[in-house]
Amino acid sequence: GIQVEQSPPDLILQEGANSTLRCNFSDSVNNLQWFHQNPWGQLINLFYIPSGTKQNGRLSATTVATERYSLLYISSSQTTDSGVYFCAVWHSGGYQKVTFGTGTKLQVIP
Amino acid sequence: DAGVTQSPTHLIKTRGQHVTLRCSPISGHKSVSWYQQVLGQGPQFIFQYYEKEERGRGNFPDRFSARQFPNYSSELNVNALLLGDSALYLCASSRQGVGARTEAFFGQGTRLTVV
Repeated sequence: GIQVEQSPPDLILQEGANSTLRCNFSDSVNNLQWFHQNPWGQLINLFYIPSGTKQNGRLSATTVATERYSLLYISSSQTTDSGVYFCAVWHSGGYQKVTFGTGTKLQVIP
Repeated sequence: DAGVTQSPTHLIKTRGQHVTLRCSPISGHKSVSWYQQVLGQGPQFIFQYYEKEERGRGNFPDRFSARQFPNYSSELNVNALLLGDSALYLCASSRQGVGARTEAFFGQGTRLTVV
C-alpha cells in the first residue's frame, strides 16, 4: 500500500519563528489535505491541496504531485499553533483508501 | 450550517460487547468515512460510504461494519469488543465520493474505552 511519511516527527520552536513541515507519499493520489489536531482530538482543516500552492494568513502549503511531496509552511509561529499536524492522502485503484501521515508534533514556546 | 456531528462523545464498554457509533454529515454531503485513532498514532481508515454503498475499506477485521442511511447519516458497528478497540473514532463527510477532488471535514470524534 501507499506510504506517507512526515518530517520532522517532533519540532520545538520559539514563538515568532518560521517552520516547514514535509509530507512524502509513495504513489499517485487523488486528494491531499493538511490538518491540525487540537488537544481534544478535533481535526481542523488547514488546506485541501492536491496540487499547487495556497496561502491562508500565516500558513501556506505547496503540493508537487509529480514529485510526490507536499510542504506546509508556518510563519511567525504562535503558541496556539502547538499540536499535531497531519497530512492525509486519498488514493484509489477502483476502491477508495485514505492514508494519514505519521504526523509532526509541534510545540511553540513563548 | 452545522458541521459533522458524532454521537456519543464518550463511551465505556466491556470486552465482548457490541457498540454502535453514529455520524451525521454536513448538509449536502453524500459521502461518509470512518477512522480509528489509537493514542499516539495517526487516524487509520476503516470505511467509506457514498450514496449508501461501501466504496472503500481499510485493513480492519469483519467485527467492524458500517452502513449509510437514505439521509446520508451513518453508523459504525463493532462486535465482540477487544481492549485494543479503545480509541478515538472519527467520522468525516465530503460532498462527493471515490476519485473526486473533494474536501473532507471531520467530526469531533467518539472516544471509546473498552474495559
